[in-house]
Amino acid sequence: QSALTQPASVSGSPGQSITISCTGTSSDIGVYKCVSWYQQHPGKAPKLMIYDVSSRPSGVSNRFSGSKSGNTASLTISGLQPEDEADYYCTSYTITRTVVFGGGTKVTVL
Amino acid sequence: QVQLQASGPGLVKPSETLSLTCTVSGGSINSYYWSWIRQPPGKGLEWIGFISYSGSTNYNPSLRSRVTISVDASDNQLSLKVNSLTAADTAFYYCARMLDSGYGPFADYWGQGTLVTVSS
Repeated sequence: QSALTQPASVSGSPGQSITISCTGTSSDIGVYKCVSWYQQHPGKAPKLMIYDVSSRPSGVSNRFSGSKSGNTASLTISGLQPEDEADYYCTSYTITRTVVFGGGTKVTVL
Repeated sequence: QVQLQASGPGLVKPSETLSLTCTVSGGSINSYYWSWIRQPPGKGLEWIGFISYSGSTNYNPSLRSRVTISVDASDNQLSLKVNSLTAADTAFYYCARMLDSGYGPFADYWGQGTLVTVSS
């Protein structure tokens, strides 16, 4: 299985909005609503930010939102804050009942 | 609050077998899926596989021939074995609880990860 495709880096100024894309295929993102996003700060374990494409776990800021169109999912961070600087990973369930990760996107707050 | 703690040898030799244990506290290991995920230092996340509460497993095709995941419900522990190790298996290894809301599984709780270095 091939990894989902994410941009290596995205940056924005405080208060701005940024969007991270995650492109898969008709064998994963294209057929499942099971897309999730994780935030990882250096030296820490990943943290669930979005599941089922657009649902937020309790305690996650509503500045984080997710969407999907065709084979591409997106994570949008609005009102960018310094603490949002981290690596972000998307995942999807696949038709072979496996899980595939994206390569990760480093978000920099300028 | 569910907590997961992975533990293992830290350093293993090439060609040997890695054995890791993940202890789950604050909740039962039953009724959930459980995953192992790894991350080479400075690189991205790679899903290794998951096991259901009924014991059925699914593995990353690239690792399937070398990996075994099991659950010991009596000890509330999850285990991972990886054989025929090479330097490419050097990574932080995470255990995670998987929820399934009906659309497929996703990891909601993660352990802190344990670093495994493969070197002679």
